[in-house]
Amino acid sequence: QKEVEQNSGPLSVPEGAIASLNCTYSDRGSQSFFWYRQYSGKSPELIMFIYSNGDKEDGRFTAQLNKASQYVSLLIRDSQPSDSATYLCAVKSTSGTYKYIFGTGTRLKVLA
Amino acid sequence: SAVISQKPSRDICQRGTSLTIQCQVDSQVTMMFWYRQQPGQSLTLIATANQGSEATYESGFVIDKFPISRPNLTFSTLTVSNMSPEDSSIYLCSVVGSAGGSYGYTFGSGTRLTVV
Repeated sequence: QKEVEQNSGPLSVPEGAIASLNCTYSDRGSQSFFWYRQYSGKSPELIMFIYSNGDKEDGRFTAQLNKASQYVSLLIRDSQPSDSATYLCAVKSTSGTYKYIFGTGTRLKVLA
Repeated sequence: SAVISQKPSRDICQRGTSLTIQCQVDSQVTMMFWYRQQPGQSLTLIATANQGSEATYESGFVIDKFPISRPNLTFSTLTVSNMSPEDSSIYLCSVVGSAGGSYGYTFGSGTRLTVV
């Protein structure tokens, strides 16, 4: 079992819709979770982080965390073509200071 | 958050040669991290570079192949030695930020390496 799993996609949504990106992780002791956006040919950019169970909202983005189910998700409301990118889920490892385990990413396509 | 200048942005190298990648941070940071991103793969940590001590390498990565220098708190280099086509990848340096309570990474712009 991979440590951090994401559906590779592509996930296609129409402009204005809600995009839902999902991630599961294997280390039950993990405490910190991150979402990065990576445009083609660019480096990853941090867009959301969440440490507590529940929802965390920032603009059009909402991160959801369920530690009991070892599940973290990212919702993008009112999706725009500019949101088309690969979204990487990362989990802070319980072994090693500031070591993060990344999923392979979900490619999102927002159709105009 | 920190700004990282990474160079070169891309290079095409002959097998058997070495390439040194540089990262310069605009603020002092204790730890810098070097990642590899192969096509269709997740980011894989190569090593953690602390100033004043030897780098800590992850399983599957060795100092002879990926020597790292960390001469001060704003600069680090990663060398990819004796390259083979399997080393073709994107190499990224990163630092941990603390803006807004986050301890996520800020990444450099990446080095796209092709070995022929």
